Amino acid sequence: AQSVTQLGSHVSVSEGALVLLRCNYSSSVPPYLFWYVQYPNQGLQLLLKYTTGATLVKGINGFEAEFKKSETSFHLTKPSAHMSDAAEYFCAVRTLGGYQKVTFGTGTKLQVIP
Amino acid sequence: DAGVIQSPRHEVTEMGQEVTLRCKLISGHNSLFWYRQTMMRGLELLIYFNNNVPIDDSGMPEDRFSAKMPNASFSTLKIQPSEPRDSAVYFCASEGSYNSPLHFGNGTRLTVT
Repeated sequence: AQSVTQLGSHVSVSEGALVLLRCNYSSSVPPYLFWYVQYPNQGLQLLLKYTTGATLVKGINGFEAEFKKSETSFHLTKPSAHMSDAAEYFCAVRTLGGYQKVTFGTGTKLQVIP
Repeated sequence: DAGVIQSPRHEVTEMGQEVTLRCKLISGHNSLFWYRQTMMRGLELLIYFNNNVPIDDSGMPEDRFSAKMPNASFSTLKIQPSEPRDSAVYFCASEGSYNSPLHFGNGTRLTVT
């Protein structure tokens, strides 16, 4: 079984401040991990993904995430928030082997304050 | 590449009517997912196809919902009869290979009155 927990359904940061969106997962086998972003009236778009190899993953728009197996976490960060980062962010997990169902977290809405 | 294309973008219908949502996959992709998104329940996986075959339909709410994939590039999700609680945004997403990300369409916003 696999699950994803995103802490904080809403996060507000000031423009230029650090963005930190938290994601913890549960998986009985090594997972693939993803962050997606959803802008209003659009589908989800991939920000970044971790499959194997380097645990610090860089994505689009200056975002990055670090896979920490010991903490079962995959938090998303960006050093300096931009107004255009305001959106909803989803963490997702996919386990290896068999039917690879993708499980999404409940999402975190990021508000960027000017 | 035009991406995953969903139609219609918006659908308003009355309770009891049949609703058909459509999805065109990205060429070459062999897996398709239908999701439903609501404020209360977030993103729910309804059904997953691989190579046109339904692999997991455990998320389909009830018999009123049915999904087909008549060919490798197209899928439909039908609700008959529709109910107000079916109001949601319905997304389809396609995938090209094992560890590739999902490519989402822009969704169909369904309102059942």
